[in-house]
Amino acid sequence: AQKVTQAQTEISVVEKEDVTLDCVYETRDTTYYLFWYKQPPSGELVFLIRRNSFDEQNEISGRYSWNFQKSTSSFNFTITASQVVDSAVYFCALRWGDTGRRALTFGSGTRLQVQP
Amino acid sequence: KAGVTQTPRYLIKTRGQQVTLSCSPISGHRSVSWYQQTPGQGLQFLFEYFSETQRNKGNFPGRFSGRQFSNSRSEMNVSTLELGDSALYLCASSPSYSYGYTFGSGTRLTVV
Repeated sequence: AQKVTQAQTEISVVEKEDVTLDCVYETRDTTYYLFWYKQPPSGELVFLIRRNSFDEQNEISGRYSWNFQKSTSSFNFTITASQVVDSAVYFCALRWGDTGRRALTFGSGTRLQVQP
Repeated sequence: KAGVTQTPRYLIKTRGQQVTLSCSPISGHRSVSWYQQTPGQGLQFLFEYFSETQRNKGNFPGRFSGRQFSNSRSEMNVSTLELGDSALYLCASSPSYSYGYTFGSGTRLTVV
């Protein structure tokens, strides 16, 4: 079975602090994709990043960075110098298996509140 | 480039009624997926269509059905509505398997 765990239900930080959102996944497949999405109050899920299981390179995009470690089945997300606009619910998701199975399994989400 | 469009944005229905939700994917995207989001169960996969064929289905009762048209637009139908069907229904489109999904803003369904 596939599973994504986001143990942090809610995180509150003060603006300009760095914050890391944890994501641990479970899958028996050797080929899979990991995603992070942001859900602001408007409800739309905004795509942030996709990483496939064969690419363990970390990635940095502006204030965002992602650390993918297959050895610990983790795909953590760090926001550097957080801003109020970063306040949202963040979801980690896993897509597993062959092309015939395209469902995303989501974690329960982490609500990030950035205080001014 | 237009994003994924879902209509209507809000809907209030009475228990026992049926409802149809619509999703227009990004132009050129042939895969459309539907997800249900509730506070208790989180985000759960409903089904996925690719080139008018249902490729994958989540663990939902038969009251939930969908279809995809030749222009890739998709509809989702829920019959005999129950209070527990109240949720945000999200549609996502993708050009192919190896790409990420782009989600719409969702349809918030309230069953009273």
